[in-house]
Amino acid sequence: RKEVEQDPGPFNVPEGATVAFNCTYSNSASQSFFWYRQDCRKEPKLLMSVYSSGNEDGRFTAQLNRASQYISLLIRDSKLSDSATYLCVVSNSGGSNYKLTFGKGTLLTVNP
Amino acid sequence: DVKVTQSSRYLVKRTGEKVFLECVQDMDHENMFWYRQDPGLGLRLIYFSYDVKMKEKGDIPEGYSVSREKKERFSLILESASTNQTSMYLCASSLAGPPYNEQFFGPGTRLTVL
Repeated sequence: RKEVEQDPGPFNVPEGATVAFNCTYSNSASQSFFWYRQDCRKEPKLLMSVYSSGNEDGRFTAQLNRASQYISLLIRDSKLSDSATYLCVVSNSGGSNYKLTFGKGTLLTVNP
Repeated sequence: DVKVTQSSRYLVKRTGEKVFLECVQDMDHENMFWYRQDPGLGLRLIYFSYDVKMKEKGDIPEGYSVSREKKERFSLILESASTNQTSMYLCASSLAGPPYNEQFFGPGTRLTVL
């Protein structure tokens, strides 16, 4: 099983649609979870952290299920500007060596 | 505004050349990282450093070395470039303490080895 596995995509949705991305991770000792966003030809940037209780930031909702080792990202009322690659990211390390393991990403295109 | 800069956006080198990629961050971050990103393979960690003169191998260190002589600067070295090292190289930095898991990335260097 790959360390971090995401929906392969690509996702093509109309403006205003709701879209969900899923991700699974293999290391049950993983400590922290994130969604990063990467625009075309740009660097990745943190979108949001993911907590066990679930968290919401405007139109974006992230969920974590530790028992199933599953992470999700829900985008409501999609905008053209949401078009990007969404990276599921897991942190496994402790101490001072905080390494992140990135999924391969899911490409989202929001169409007018 | 936080900033990670990389010395070049595009670089073309020949097989066998020694290549230096430089990364500088102005956020006083303890941790710095070098990744490569390839289509279908995603981001893969080459090396990271959690302090000056300290380094640890990532997932794909073969063919690379690093240097961290100052806290703000982390260099990636390709001792003898090969065509399979053609890739996008991304540098990142993060704090050692919370929220340590937010990594800030530079704009990337697209390296082509001919």
